[in-house]
Amino acid sequence: GAGVSQTPSNKVTEKGKYVELRCDPISGHTALYWYRQSLGQGPEFLIYFQGTGAADDSGLPNDRFFAVRPEGSVSTLKIQRTERGDSAVYLCASSFPGGVGDTQYFGPGTRLTVL
Amino acid sequence: AQKITQTQPGMFVQEKEAVTLDCTYDTSDPSYGLFWYKQPSSGEMIFLIYQGSYDQQNATEGRYSLNFQKARKSANLVISASQLGDSAMYFCAMREAMEYGNKLVFGAGTILRVKS
Repeated sequence: GAGVSQTPSNKVTEKGKYVELRCDPISGHTALYWYRQSLGQGPEFLIYFQGTGAADDSGLPNDRFFAVRPEGSVSTLKIQRTERGDSAVYLCASSFPGGVGDTQYFGPGTRLTVL
Repeated sequence: AQKITQTQPGMFVQEKEAVTLDCTYDTSDPSYGLFWYKQPSSGEMIFLIYQGSYDQQNATEGRYSLNFQKARKSANLVISASQLGDSAMYFCAMREAMEYGNKLVFGAGTILRVKS
């Protein structure tokens, strides 16, 4: 079946602009996660959805970051007033609670560059 | 807080040989899960193998096996019969419980280069 998809694959924006990053999880996966991966590092957790609600947003760095999942499937990560330090790869993952190890399956990521 | 340590920034291996990528972890939770992911230059994180803390046997998936030593808190990935396509970044990760659900905590990764 289809894996996790993310759009766009690349996004270049200017400092101060607003961006939206989209994630379409694996069909039937109720849990959805966003991670941020800076160059040369492992991914870091941002936010977790179970269904439509944000169950844990403790990883969001500040209030410029916000994510929604209105119908319990597709999610959008929104970044306001982008800064150069926001440049990173944003990874989305999904899992089926109760699956082996609650394994998370990742999408290809969106590479965000803030000029 | 949980922590994952990957001490090998980079590794080389000759094609068709086996290689071990190291991972140590730190947790006070009795129940935890350990994962290995592969990240090729294309950027996608590919799930390889999972080991639960209560699993009696070491996990295996094809050419991948996990050398789980609970007392030493290590979960090394062994790749047998290396192939050129195995060249990638490899991440060890631990499942950390949150109030609702889990998140993954990743190590810094190891770059593996397979030589022909």
